[in-house]
Amino acid sequence: SQQGEEDPQALSIQEGENATMNCSYKTSINNLQWYRQNSGRGLVHLILIRSNEREKHSGRLRVTLDTSKKSSSLLITASRAADTASYFCATDAGDMRFGAGTRLTVKP
Amino acid sequence: GAGVSQSPSNKVTEKGKDVELRCDPISGHTALYWYRQSLGQGLEFLIYFQGNSAPDKSGLPSDRFSAERTGGSVSTLTIQRTQQEDSAVYLCASSLDSPYTEAFFGQGTRLTVV
Repeated sequence: SQQGEEDPQALSIQEGENATMNCSYKTSINNLQWYRQNSGRGLVHLILIRSNEREKHSGRLRVTLDTSKKSSSLLITASRAADTASYFCATDAGDMRFGAGTRLTVKP
Repeated sequence: GAGVSQSPSNKVTEKGKDVELRCDPISGHTALYWYRQSLGQGLEFLIYFQGNSAPDKSGLPSDRFSAERTGGSVSTLTIQRTQQEDSAVYLCASSLDSPYTEAFFGQGTRLTVV
């Protein structure tokens, strides 16, 4: 079964704009991670936020975590066409469960 | 190896046959995960190993699916009497024994049941 639910399912923006994706989950977690997937094969880790952290930055990525609302958001600033991919959140409560993902399209 | 290796990369099998999918995790990674992904969908959790034991087998879709891990390293996912609905990409990932580390994914095995 899946743990996280991403929102929106699909997002289309212009290059240079910011993209925000949200993730909601159901149970207590140790950490929450965001991954990126190109062309339906292996996933690449983007960023990990621990349950006691509220915000984390990595380059153009900003992740927030609200454990009281059981939700997280991923912000990609100044998007590029190369950011086009599917983005997944994964909750770690001993195992690691993924949501259905957000399909991001960045138009040049 | 440097990364997680999965074999075969692609597998076409006839309905009713058994298949074995293999995952070689990164050396030293004690946690190993199997997922299934249908076209355009999210990752469906199948099973998780900590060392050689599987604390959570709840994701296996039916008793036709089984998985084992030996020596805390290589894992095999076996699907018996394959059905067309088993067609998907099967992904494996590994990580260090900690809740605060990232997982590394293999490139997956694309299984097609005809």
